[in-house]
Amino acid sequence: NAGVTQTPKFQVLKTGQSMTLQCAQDMNHNSMYWYRQDPGMGLRLIYYSASEGTTDKGEVPNGYNVSRLNKREFSLRLESAAPSQTSVYFCASEERGTGELFFGEGSRLTVL
Amino acid sequence: GEDVEQSLFLSVREGDSSVINCTYTDSSSTYLYWYKQEPGAGLQLLTYIFSNMDMKQDQRLTVLLNKKDKHLSLRIADTQTGDSAIYFCADLYNNNDMRFGAGTRLTVKP
Repeated sequence: NAGVTQTPKFQVLKTGQSMTLQCAQDMNHNSMYWYRQDPGMGLRLIYYSASEGTTDKGEVPNGYNVSRLNKREFSLRLESAAPSQTSVYFCASEERGTGELFFGEGSRLTVL
Repeated sequence: GEDVEQSLFLSVREGDSSVINCTYTDSSSTYLYWYKQEPGAGLQLLTYIFSNMDMKQDQRLTVLLNKKDKHLSLRIADTQTGDSAIYFCADLYNNNDMRFGAGTRLTVKP
């Protein structure tokens, strides 16, 4: 019963390096999301994908790109990491419009 | 812009009731949610309420909604140490956009 799986769980980068966070869900959900969680700020939406083949910007998209590879997978890429991108990143999926999001366990990223 | 606000910390004794409060500003919110995040884990949906309801009860959980004041609360009866977690309030607006509060860290002392 995997649900939403994110990799890696932890990553340390130097400023300017690039990396991709991977996310996969096995619940056949149409919608997928990437959030970042920072202390005292709750969750902020980076990008979302309402269905396979579509992506849209959320509240804080700058410095990130996404790819909805297929219905299962939604990746988040940092092309040139900055210390301000130090955060915990969560991927989530949802059967569209229900409001019940299923979250992965998170990926803790530190940018030095 | 529109916002969801909650206090950051709450501490209670085991066996007491906990009340976590949330205010939101968007009158078009259709559903309001409570999510729970345990240490090192993602968020899990705890309960939700439709905006035309004023109360929902589910075992030890009671959700109260005052739509006029845009105030949502989550009451946990007989709070246990296993209830220690961060609780997030969220609202659904524009039918598909969700906005989260900053989260309330509940600490339950034995």
